[in-house]
Amino acid sequence: NAGVTQTPKFQVLKTGQSMTLQCAQDMNHNSMYWYRQDPGMGLRLIYYSASEGTTDKGEVPNGYNVSRLNKREFSLRLESAAPSQTSVYFCASSEGSAGQPQHFGDGTRLSIL
Amino acid sequence: QKEVEQNSGPLSVPEGAIASLNCTYSDRGSQSFFWYRQYSGKSPELIMSIYSNGDKEDGRFTAQLNKASQYVSLLIRDSQPSDSATYLCAVRTGNQFYFGTGTSLTVIP
Repeated sequence: NAGVTQTPKFQVLKTGQSMTLQCAQDMNHNSMYWYRQDPGMGLRLIYYSASEGTTDKGEVPNGYNVSRLNKREFSLRLESAAPSQTSVYFCASSEGSAGQPQHFGDGTRLSIL
Repeated sequence: QKEVEQNSGPLSVPEGAIASLNCTYSDRGSQSFFWYRQYSGKSPELIMSIYSNGDKEDGRFTAQLNKASQYVSLLIRDSQPSDSATYLCAVRTGNQFYFGTGTSLTVIP
């Protein structure tokens, strides 16, 4: 019973490099989310997907793109990483489309030098 | 003004005491309210939800909602060292969902 699985768990990038964070859930949930968590800022929504084939911007979408590949998978891409994107990234899912995340992955700790 | 405000703490209580965590929100139209617990270095975990005025109890946890005062609280009775964590308040307003920055709780044995 894996729940929400994120890969990788840790990553160090240089400024300007690109990378994709992967997320998969095995609970047959409709909605998936990407959050970033920074000290003193709380959790902020980057993008979410209410259902397969749909994505919407959250509070801080600039510099990111997402893909809802299928119902299970929701990836987050940084096209040209910047030091301001150093953060802990969490993927989450929920059963309905009501907007509140129910289950979180373990997080990806991303450092950009 | 932030949508959700929490005192960052840290809040320290002795083992066995009642811990009281508070949260205010800015939008009077907010409909749903949630508490998450986050242990250090771990991901958030949904522990309580409340939708109407009054109290909602779940084991040692009680969520309280006062929409007139735009105030949500979480009471933890018989606090245990294992309750030491950061507690995040979250509010849903329409199709928007906002987290507070969290209150750090330490339960002292």
